[in-house]
Amino acid sequence: EAGVVQSPRYKIIEKKQPVAFWCNPISGHNTLYWYRQNLGQGPELLIRYENEEAVDDSQLPKDRFSAERLKGVDSTLKIQPAELGDSAVYLCASSLEARGNTEAFFGQGTRLTVV
Amino acid sequence: KQEVTQIPAALSVPEGENLVLNCSFTDSAIYNLQWFRQDPGKGLTSLLLIQSSQREQTSGRLNASLDKSSGRSTLYIAASQPGDSATYLCAAPGASYGKLTFGQGTILTVHP
Repeated sequence: EAGVVQSPRYKIIEKKQPVAFWCNPISGHNTLYWYRQNLGQGPELLIRYENEEAVDDSQLPKDRFSAERLKGVDSTLKIQPAELGDSAVYLCASSLEARGNTEAFFGQGTRLTVV
Repeated sequence: KQEVTQIPAALSVPEGENLVLNCSFTDSAIYNLQWFRQDPGKGLTSLLLIQSSQREQTSGRLNASLDKSSGRSTLYIAASQPGDSATYLCAAPGASYGKLTFGQGTILTVHP
């Protein structure tokens, strides 16, 4: 069974440019998460989807970040315009369901460098 | 708001030693706790998921315990090997279902 797939693995962009990350969760997982991990820190949640509904986006900087989950499967996270402080690893995760005792599985992440 | 702390921040041991990584959390109303491993430049690999009704969970040389009343979890690694070198992260959900709060991790180095 394929795990969580993210692309691209690496991205280098100039500040003020747009960037997008893509995530394909594990088949059948209705909950999808986007986390951001700064160097030397644990991941922090940006947004959580249950099916196609964003149920927790309280930590998403909505002035420049946007996300969507088409048909409750794949998801895209976008930053426009990017700032130097956005340099981080962006991780996508999925789980069978958010409630209850379910395990979260993570993708390999996208390492973003803004120069 | 859930807060998770991991001690120590870094640990270096010779091969073959048994070791313990510690994780503490502030909100004990959790329904599970998860331990992850992260290799440099990689994503997170789930190691163990402990349900709130369990006190221990084992996988190979790994054993994780959970004490909700004291807000603590430990990850025990037996007979450590150089291949165990990685960052180990624990994560606990908070009042918001599905939102995992992570500790900063313990960087483990096992030298031959």
